[in-house]
Parts: sequence; structure tokens; C-alpha cells
Amino acid sequence: SAVISQKPSRDICQRGTSLTIQCQVDSQVTMMFWYRQQPGQSLTLIATANQGSEATYESGFVIDKFPISRPNLTFSTLTVSNMSPEDSSIYLCSVKLQGYGYTFGSGTRLTVV
Amino acid sequence: DAKTTQPTSMDCAEGRAANLPCNHSTISGNEYVYWYRQIHSQGPQYIIHGLKNNETNEMASLIITEDRKSSTLILPHATLRDTAVYYCIVPPFLGGATNKLIFGTGTLLAVQP
Repeated sequence: SAVISQKPSRDICQRGTSLTIQCQVDSQVTMMFWYRQQPGQSLTLIATANQGSEATYESGFVIDKFPISRPNLTFSTLTVSNMSPEDSSIYLCSVKLQGYGYTFGSGTRLTVV
Repeated sequence: DAKTTQPTSMDCAEGRAANLPCNHSTISGNEYVYWYRQIHSQGPQYIIHGLKNNETNEMASLIITEDRKSSTLILPHATLRDTAVYYCIVPPFLGGATNKLIFGTGTLLAVQP
């Protein structure tokens, strides 16, 4: 399976600022996903990021708030823009490898103050 | 997407088998059943997946009913480290492959000493 490195592992940010989260994979993957997990809740899919195409956002998530880049088959970034305390969550990236299941990063724990 | 239904919580005695049920009555022919778990503060961990046959690996067994409308994840000898939220997921099958994972609320399994 793939090994995912996600950075930063945690951060504390001021409201109104933006944070970019990086997801690096040790294998080339077509499908990458970004999730949010709010305190005490399950994971919610933000968007699917396939290389060579625009990210596909789930209902309730918009590109202006969560812009995503996918420059190659091993890397993606998620930006949380104009943050408010409601954005305090764990953000996780995930990949799907052909013939394998889905692998998750260890997450970025974001606190907005 | 095939929706899944799981009990909110379950208890299990350490050393005993833990049997976690999942209902997925709207599953279609090409859709797989995946099981993941999330131990507190960690990213989701893959356990097992199957299509129609029962599956077993070093972590667990997956029993899928003949009509595929339900399944059971079996942890044969639960330990305290198996305490986690367990998610049963049926990702949509699109374009000849399984697609995004949509997480429900899962089952909180508490293994008791």
C-alpha cells in the first residue's frame, strides 16, 4: 500500500488567515481525496482531486474556501482560506491504489483562534 | 451510493470475538464492502474488503450474506487496542472502478478488560 506524508501535522492559526496542507505519496496515484473531521464527528469528504483535471467538490464545499492543487501523481495541496473557528478540524488526505484499498494520511489538526 | 446502517456502539470482552454487523440492502452488483477503523486521533485504517465471497486476513474476517444485503466483520480475539470506531462503507462503482469513500457514523466498539 501507499505511504502518505501530510504536513503540517498540526497548526494553530489566526482567524482570517489561510493554511495550505500538503499531501505527499510515495507512489503514483490517480485518485486523491481530501476529508474533514470536525471534533467528535465522522469524516466528511471535501473533494476528489484527480491529476490533470479540476477537483470535484462535494455538496457544501466550494473552491473559493478550499482550493486544491494536484500538480502531479504524487502530490496535492488543500488550502483552507479565510479561516474561522468553525474550520477547526482534522484534515486528512487519502489515496486509492489500483488493486489495493484506500490509504489515509495521519491528518492535520487545525485550530483556528 | 449504497447506504450502510450500523449500530452506534457495541461492547466486547477482551479475548472474545467481536462481531460487528452492517446493513447495506441497496448494494448493487459491482459494489464492494469495505471496513475501516479509526482509533482515537489517528487516520482511518484499512481492515478488509469483499465483493461476495467471505474474506479473511490477519486482522479480521468478513462474512457477506448470499443476497449481499448485509455483512459482519469479525475480530476473532478482541484486545483493548481494538477499541475504535468501525466503519462499513460501500463506495460507488463508477467507470469500472470503486470510487470515493463516504463515511457514516460507524460503530464504536469498546473492548472491556
